[in-house]
Amino acid sequence: GAGVSQSPRYKVAKRGQDVALRCDPISGHVSLFWYQQALGQGPEFLTYFQNEAQLDKSGLPSDRFFAERPEGSVSTLKIQRTQQEDSAVYLCASSPRQPSYEQYFGPGTRLTVT
Amino acid sequence: AQSVAQPEDQVNVAEGNPLTVKCTYSVSGNPYLFWYVQYPNRGLQFLLKYITGDNLVKGSYGFEAEFNKSQTSFHLKKPSALVSDSALYFCAVRDGTGGFKTIFGAGTRLFVKA
Repeated sequence: GAGVSQSPRYKVAKRGQDVALRCDPISGHVSLFWYQQALGQGPEFLTYFQNEAQLDKSGLPSDRFFAERPEGSVSTLKIQRTQQEDSAVYLCASSPRQPSYEQYFGPGTRLTVT
Repeated sequence: AQSVAQPEDQVNVAEGNPLTVKCTYSVSGNPYLFWYVQYPNRGLQFLLKYITGDNLVKGSYGFEAEFNKSQTSFHLKKPSALVSDSALYFCAVRDGTGGFKTIFGAGTRLFVKA
């Protein structure tokens, strides 16, 4: 079956531009996670959705970062007024509801802010 | 607060020899522990997990890991390394008492030499 997909795969933005990153989770997966992975580092948690409810957004680095999942499937991570420090790979992962389940990751979106 | 430490940036091993990739963790509740692998130009893939039960867990591609509660460790092992095991390995922990946030280590790069 289809895995987690993300688009675009690569995004170059000029400093100050807004960007929107899309995640299509595995069909039927209730849980959806967003992570930021800087070069040479492990993924850092940004936010978590259970269906359409955003239950944890403690990892969002600033109020320029906003995530939504309005119908409980596709999710969008939006970054307003991008800064150079936002350059990273943004990973999306989904899993069935149970918290013990492993996460299935998408290929990521590499964002470069110039 | 949750944390994960992977003390080795890189592990080198000869093909056919046993390998160990170390991981220690800190979590306030019951730990849910995971290992993921990242191959070049591919997304993170789940290897194995410890939720409860036997301390020795077996996963994909012949990997196993041992949960040690007293040492708060979850080291990844394989009896006989293959060149194709060369990749970036991440340990992750989630608080099993209801938290959603998953914390990843910085990763350990494994090189298996023929």
